[in-house]
Amino acid sequence: GAVVSQHPSWVICKSGTSVKIECRSLDFQATTMFWYRQFPKQSLMLMATSNEGSKATYEQGVEKDKFLINHASLTLSTLTVTSAHPEDSSFYICSALPASGSDTQYFGPGTRLTVL
Amino acid sequence: AQKITQTQPGMFVQEKEAVTLDCTYDTSDPSYGLFWYKQPSSGEMIFLIYQGSYDQQNATEGRYSLNFQKARKSANLVISASQLGDSAMYFCAMREGLEGYQKVTFGIGTKLQVIP
Repeated sequence: GAVVSQHPSWVICKSGTSVKIECRSLDFQATTMFWYRQFPKQSLMLMATSNEGSKATYEQGVEKDKFLINHASLTLSTLTVTSAHPEDSSFYICSALPASGSDTQYFGPGTRLTVL
Repeated sequence: AQKITQTQPGMFVQEKEAVTLDCTYDTSDPSYGLFWYKQPSSGEMIFLIYQGSYDQQNATEGRYSLNFQKARKSANLVISASQLGDSAMYFCAMREGLEGYQKVTFGIGTKLQVIP
């Protein structure tokens, strides 16, 4: 149980284009999902907290107009990197918090984004 | 100040031996949770173990145990009987507050390599 998927697992795009990453909780409902980014050999940094049906809460320094988050259902959150640039290349990981009251986040397998 | 400190960038352990990965934390909140996650080279974050600040006993999950020393603000992970598959990055993390939706902060990680 508590499986989270991400799609795509990796993506290469040209500078200036937008990329959408999906995060799905497969066997549970998640009222809250989190988006992290991880640079090579570094830790995870929280970008934003996404609550179903409401606007995401962004961490300081994260541009909300650049990283659009939508959490339209209890099993799906999306992160769209708009007008991507090479510095946006990173490993993006989502996690989901079960609505059942569990206090543990379950992570997706991550999406590796490379912007050329 | 760093909220989570992992001072061991890399560790080696002989197969079948036990190993301790260090983690210290900093918070003034009396209610908090401590986590350990494993990240293999494939990238996914795997939840290992959780300790709440009010838990009286050290958490254990199979071969994993958390040596929780509240006064010293340390939460070391002990892996017993190491296996080759334990080779990975290990991250200590803390949530200030006991609600699952609250922010989790990660340490920089320790790379563990198990030697045959």
